[in-house]
Amino acid sequence: GAVVSQHPSWVICKSGTSVKIECRSLDFQATTMFWYRQFPKQSLMLMATSNEGSKATYEQGVEKDKFLINHASLTLSTLTVTSAHPEDSSFYICSALDRDLFTDTQYFGPGTRLTVL
Amino acid sequence: GDSVTQMEGPVTLSEEAFLTINCTYTATGYPSLFWYVQYPGEGLQLLLKATKADDKGSNKGFEATYRKETTSFHLEKGSVQVSDSAVYFCALSREGKLIFGQGTELSVKP
Repeated sequence: GAVVSQHPSWVICKSGTSVKIECRSLDFQATTMFWYRQFPKQSLMLMATSNEGSKATYEQGVEKDKFLINHASLTLSTLTVTSAHPEDSSFYICSALDRDLFTDTQYFGPGTRLTVL
Repeated sequence: GDSVTQMEGPVTLSEEAFLTINCTYTATGYPSLFWYVQYPGEGLQLLLKATKADDKGSNKGFEATYRKETTSFHLEKGSVQVSDSAVYFCALSREGKLIFGQGTELSVKP
């Protein structure tokens, strides 16, 4: 089946530093990947759509200068949280879109737990 | 706009009980429908999907049928196990983007 990895699985950083999270599709090529944020006991909130070779599309209310997304290849997208603050602490999940004849299916990574001190 | 509504949790069942988690949707046209499962501290795993009316998705003993007339995609399992304890998300796909329900937490007791 389709496998998506994320790295790191957890990270603790100091306030003001930047953190990069990688999302890789391991056995298929994904021209489109998505980044989500999840708060405890809640559903996923879509942050942005990452398209290979072009700029990401951000959802309303998401600061594009704070959450930098790069999708440089068909198997890798990165999310960089710049100048992180404690309110950025969250569970970040990526997904990769697998297109076939019948439907588009998102396969999710295992998530990255970010804690900002 | 499109939306997905799931039954509220938490749902607590005894092992080997029958499970139903209700999911209804509002959408134009005929979107693809999905069930994802999230175990504690992990990302989402695709459980099953259906792409058109009357399709039945099934996996690991779970089933769901795409009902156009009732705009529903209820998840069922005949006999749950403790290992099925997780949060279950119903979702529809619109131009590649997923619209999620709020999630239903399932707790199965031995």
